[in-house]
Amino acid sequence: AQSVTQLDSQVPVFEEAPVELRCNYSSSVSVYLFWYVQYPNQGLQLLLKYLSGSTLVKGINGFEAEFNKSQTSFHLRKPSVHISDTAEYFCAVSDQGGDDKIIFGKGTRLHILP
Amino acid sequence: DAGITQSPRHKVTETGTPVTLRCHQTENHRYMYWYRQDPGHGLRLIHYSYGVKDTDKGEVSDGYSVSRSKTEDFLLTLESATSSQTSVYFCAISPGGEYEKLFFGSGTQLSVL
Repeated sequence: AQSVTQLDSQVPVFEEAPVELRCNYSSSVSVYLFWYVQYPNQGLQLLLKYLSGSTLVKGINGFEAEFNKSQTSFHLRKPSVHISDTAEYFCAVSDQGGDDKIIFGKGTRLHILP
Repeated sequence: DAGITQSPRHKVTETGTPVTLRCHQTENHRYMYWYRQDPGHGLRLIHYSYGVKDTDKGEVSDGYSVSRSKTEDFLLTLESATSSQTSVYFCAISPGGEYEKLFFGSGTQLSVL
């Protein structure tokens, strides 16, 4: 069965600094990978997804993620964060050609410091 | 926004009572999911459905059952609610396959006293 590990429960970063949120996954087959964002008191929305092809995926709000099959990772990055990026970020995985079960990590809270 | 409606939005109930949460979609998507969100645990999959009358268990299915008699409705039932089931419950839908993307409802805050 697939699983996701988000290594950091909270990440503080100064405004305009770069940030990386880490995600590792486990699966016996090829996977689809996703990052979702949850702003305070809101539901989740998709930031970006990797289905196939280029390993560097660009998403909304200046975020990007790189799929690394050998390291089974899908880390999320942004070169310069803004106060509005304060949110909880969730990595998720789904097995390709499988049962379409989508499993989430425990989330990483991004705190932007002024 | 995807047409997903969760009802009720808030519910307070007592231990031992049955509770049913409803998810209704207007997108005709094949897949529907129920997740619960708890601090420190992220989102955990309870049950999901890949078609009418086709459902399967997720990570934390004990104490929950689901039914999908129509494409647009996916019901989650807590057979006998316990305090450990106090949580925020999210319904999500997806077209599936290569178009895989979850659209989330607004959530149901359930408190079991």
